[in-house]
Amino acid sequence: GQQVMQIPQYQHVQEGEDFTTYCNSSTTLSNIQWYKQRPGGHPVFLIQLVKSGEVKKQKRLTFQFGEAKKNSSLHITATQTTDVGTYFCAGADRGSTLGRLYFGRGTQLTVWP
Amino acid sequence: SAVISQKPSRDICQRGTSLTIQCQVDSQVTMMFWYRQQPGQSLTLIATANQGSEATYESGFVIDKFPISRPNLTFSTLTVSNMSPEDSSIYLCSVEIRDGYTFGSGTRLTVV
Repeated sequence: GQQVMQIPQYQHVQEGEDFTTYCNSSTTLSNIQWYKQRPGGHPVFLIQLVKSGEVKKQKRLTFQFGEAKKNSSLHITATQTTDVGTYFCAGADRGSTLGRLYFGRGTQLTVWP
Repeated sequence: SAVISQKPSRDICQRGTSLTIQCQVDSQVTMMFWYRQQPGQSLTLIATANQGSEATYESGFVIDKFPISRPNLTFSTLTVSNMSPEDSSIYLCSVEIRDGYTFGSGTRLTVV
C-alpha cells in the first residue's frame, strides 16, 4: 500500500544553521502537503505542492516537489528557535477533495540558541 | 478557513470505560477525518465521516471500537470504547481547507 517515508527522524541544529527534511513516496502523488507541529500542539498546515518540479518559498522555508511527484523536501535557511517542532509531510493519492492523506513519520527539529 | 473546536482537550479514564470526543466546525464541511497520534509518532487515520452515511474505517480500526457519529455538516463525535492502556494517545479531528487540512487542538487521552 501507499507509504510515505520521511528522514531524518530527528535533527538537532545550532541557531543559524540550515535544516532539511526529505519525504519519499512509494507511489506517484497527486499532491504533497507539509505541516508543522509545535511541542504539545496540533499539526498546522504550511503549504501544498501540486505540480511536478514545483518550488515554493515562505520566507526562510523552501519546499520542493520532485519531477516524478514521488519525493519532496523542506529546507529551512538560518534556523531560529521559533522553528522548533516536528515537520510532517503528507501525500495525497487522489485529488484533494476525495483523497486521503498519508503522513510521513515526521522530523523533530531542535534548535540550540 | 474553517476553525474546529475539539473537546475535551484531555482526559484520564479507567480501563473498560468509554470516552466520546466532540468536534464542532464553524462552517459546513462534507467530510471530517479522525486521526490518532501516539506519543512521538505520526498521524494515523482512523476513519472518514460523511454526513448521512456510515463512516469509512481504515485497516485496523473497527466501528465497534471507534463508533463515529456525524449528525450534521458541522459536528462529529468519535467514541473510544472499552478502553485499554493501549488506547492512550492523542485523537484529532480534521477537515479540508483550501489546499490542505486543518486540525482540532486534539484530545490527549490517558487510560489507567
